[in-house]
Amino acid sequence: AQSVTQPDIHITVSEGASLELRCNYSYGATPYLFWYVQSPGQGLQLLLKYFSGDTLVQGIKGFEAEFKRSQSSFNLRKPSVHWSDAAEYFCAVGATDKLIFGTGTRLQVFP
Amino acid sequence: SAVISQKPSRDICQRGTSLTIQCQVDSQVTMMFWYRQQPGQSLTLIATANQGSEATYESGFVIDKFPISRPNLTFSTLTVSNMSPEDSSIYLCSTPELGHGYTFGSGTRLTVV
Repeated sequence: AQSVTQPDIHITVSEGASLELRCNYSYGATPYLFWYVQSPGQGLQLLLKYFSGDTLVQGIKGFEAEFKRSQSSFNLRKPSVHWSDAAEYFCAVGATDKLIFGTGTRLQVFP
Repeated sequence: SAVISQKPSRDICQRGTSLTIQCQVDSQVTMMFWYRQQPGQSLTLIATANQGSEATYESGFVIDKFPISRPNLTFSTLTVSNMSPEDSSIYLCSTPELGHGYTFGSGTRLTVV
């Protein structure tokens, strides 16, 4: 069955530090992969997506993610975190039209 | 990409009552999905709604509790029936868009008292 695992429930970083959020998926075919961000009390915003091609994808707000088929991973990265990046981050896999979400990682940013 | 207008944005309801959530898309879409996000949790798919056919429900969700309508290609409703405090969640609708991924409504924050 398709599934998405985000091993880190909560991550705390200092402003200006680099960030990597982990995501592992289980899917039998080539996946469509997504990262969404949800700020407190807000809806979901798409950060980036991977459909095919270049395995390093660039998104909005300075985020990037790398698809590694051998590791079944799609980790999200940002070289320098801003206080406004504090939010909940969800990795998701598109599976036969459905979108399956991971459990989310809550990012806290200290000044 | 498509824009989804979802309403109400929030509501506080008495237990035992029902609430209908509406999603209006600014273009015709084949599929619409309904998700639930319980407090502090991730999003769980409730059902898939296609126009002209019965909605397909995921394990753990039943039509009597979450009836869905899809009268045309731009509109869908989800009703949360006979509500209890455990139904307090954010409910979101979504549609897939070829080449763009998935677009979401802004969500309905439901509190059942």
